[in-house]
Amino acid sequence: DIQVTQSPSSLSASLGDRVTITCRASQSISRYLNWYQQKPGKAPRLLIYAASTLQSGVPPRFSGSGSGTDFTLTISSLQPEDLATYYCQQSYNNPRTFGGGTKVEIK
Amino acid sequence: QLLLQESGPGLVKPSEPLSLTCSVSGGSISSSNYYWGWIRQPPGKGLDWIGSIYYSGNTYYNPSLKSRVTISVDTSKNQFSLKLNSVTAADTAIYYCARGGVSEVALDIWGLGTMVTVSS
Repeated sequence: DIQVTQSPSSLSASLGDRVTITCRASQSISRYLNWYQQKPGKAPRLLIYAASTLQSGVPPRFSGSGSGTDFTLTISSLQPEDLATYYCQQSYNNPRTFGGGTKVEIK
Repeated sequence: QLLLQESGPGLVKPSEPLSLTCSVSGGSISSSNYYWGWIRQPPGKGLDWIGSIYYSGNTYYNPSLKSRVTISVDTSKNQFSLKLNSVTAADTAIYYCARGGVSEVALDIWGLGTMVTVSS
């Protein structure tokens, strides 16, 4: 199985801050990397697929980059509604493993 | 707008099977452009991919569950199902069904989730 490691596991940032979350795969997965946002008590929501393609309806302050084994999710200006846990997922092969999650809190 | 809704018992006894159904509305489950998956989340923990089924009928399961899990589709009812045998307390989780795009290879629509507790 491909292991996917996210860091940090949690972070606290101020409104308007630039926030960066990283995801590292245990082997090259090309650009088969997705990002999801899960707000408390809610189902996950797809933010970005194929490493950098923004899902329809997702605010442009979210962006993704990377290829191979190293990937990044960036929130350019943190908003109150971005309080959530963010997960990456590799879709290169089965099982489609998820990272452990990054909990984003507002200072 | 496509909607997915999980249904099934909220309480299952240890060693018994867990059976859940995901009803799809607002679109057809019989599309070669999509696949259908199950994901679970133990209380306070992260997401765990269970498996998926494609239009072709091909299924893929997490090896950690493969001996106990079956995913099937009922096109006449526009539903797909999960069966997990011989459950233990470790199977207590919120279970989500989701749609995946064959091109995007990502889960773009999710159900609300259903909590299943394994307890006697």
